[in-house]
Amino acid sequence: DAKTTQPPSMDCAEGRAANLPCNHSTISGNEYVYWYRQIHSQGPQYIIHGLKNNETNEMASLIITEDRKSSTLILPHATLRDTAVYYCIVRVRDDKIIFGKGTRLHILP
Amino acid sequence: DTAVSQTPKYLVTQMGNDKSIKCEQNLGHDTMYWYKQDSKKFLKIMFSYNNKELIINETVPNRFSPKSPDKAHLNLHINSLELGDSAVYFCASSQWDRQNEKLFFGSGTQLSVL
Repeated sequence: DAKTTQPPSMDCAEGRAANLPCNHSTISGNEYVYWYRQIHSQGPQYIIHGLKNNETNEMASLIITEDRKSSTLILPHATLRDTAVYYCIVRVRDDKIIFGKGTRLHILP
Repeated sequence: DTAVSQTPKYLVTQMGNDKSIKCEQNLGHDTMYWYKQDSKKFLKIMFSYNNKELIINETVPNRFSPKSPDKAHLNLHINSLELGDSAVYFCASSQWDRQNEKLFFGSGTQLSVL
């Protein structure tokens, strides 16, 4: 079972920052937070992951709260191509990846 | 070049038939997976192979038989297809010694059982 809670859907205006929240209140010390997304009819795509520090790459930023019970994925300048289902996953590094229901993000023109 | 490729992309067949889906990855990874995404869009892991050895089998009916001839290939054979097998099947790969840090997925095979 997924160990995360995400809102089922969100809207964001094109060009604005999209902030996707994720609650993982039962996360343990050795579990990482991973984000994937699935654009319609494609396979899921890795975005970013982190343990306790904030992380940034060319796709997004990941902000993890100090108590690690929640995190936020930030897409700094959302485009229409960012419309997708975003999955927040917690796991030990060598464990299987279990997908929950995710957040359906709509980017509005 | 596509990193993880699956064939066929679409598969329409009758109940009771046997079919196979093929997957190949050219990333040099040693771990491969099959996931199933049903009509409600839940994505569930089915199998995982590491260096041709089965390491995850998520209580999948034994009509489903994965086969890994080498670490770049993981095929899925399904016997006696049932209506409930209709779904999108995704293959994925990762590198085990990097704790499966990132999964790379294929574009999926949409299976329709009539």
